[in-house]
Amino acid sequence: AQSVTQLGSHVSVSEGALVLLRCNYSSSVPPYLFWYVQYPNQGLQLLLKYTSAATLVKGINGFEAEFKKSETSFHLTKPSAHMSDAAEYFCAVSFNQAGTALIFGKGTTLSVSS
Amino acid sequence: EPEVTQTPSHQVTQMGQEVILRCVPISNHLYFYWYRQILGQKVEFLVSFYNNEISEKSEIFDDQFSVERPDGSNFTLKIRSTKLEDSAMYFCASRETGSNTGELFFGEGSRLTVL
Repeated sequence: AQSVTQLGSHVSVSEGALVLLRCNYSSSVPPYLFWYVQYPNQGLQLLLKYTSAATLVKGINGFEAEFKKSETSFHLTKPSAHMSDAAEYFCAVSFNQAGTALIFGKGTTLSVSS
Repeated sequence: EPEVTQTPSHQVTQMGQEVILRCVPISNHLYFYWYRQILGQKVEFLVSFYNNEISEKSEIFDDQFSVERPDGSNFTLKIRSTKLEDSAMYFCASRETGSNTGELFFGEGSRLTVL
């Protein structure tokens, strides 16, 4: 069965530090992978997506993620955290089937301290 | 920029009451979805809808739930007899026709509180 695992429900970093949010997937078919961000009391906003083109994907707000098939991972990184990055981050996976639903990980809360 | 809109943003209801949550998907999208997020938990898939019928549903989507596209623009989620555990944020999403990547566009959510 397809699934997504986010390691670490809560990550804390200092402003200016590297952000690393981990995501591993399980899939028997090539996946499409996404990171969504949810700011407090808001909806889900797409950060970036992997759709079988370049394995290093750049998204909004300076975030990027690398698809590593050998490790079944799609970790999210940002070189320098900003206070405004504090939010909930969700990794999600879907598959090459029209209409199929996204499957979300449990989410990782990112806290940024000054 | 086109967006998915949801109403109401927050609804408080008594246990056992019927609730209808409304969504207006992006106009050229034909795949529609409902997800829910119980406070502090993951975003869970409820149901997907295409061509006026349910294409996929999860175990959560039992007989208490129904979806409908009553006209050319709205997509609704009905909960017939609400329970305390139905309290959650409900997200509507739509998907671009012809897209196989699975990218969904989400609304801001409707917070349901069942007392």
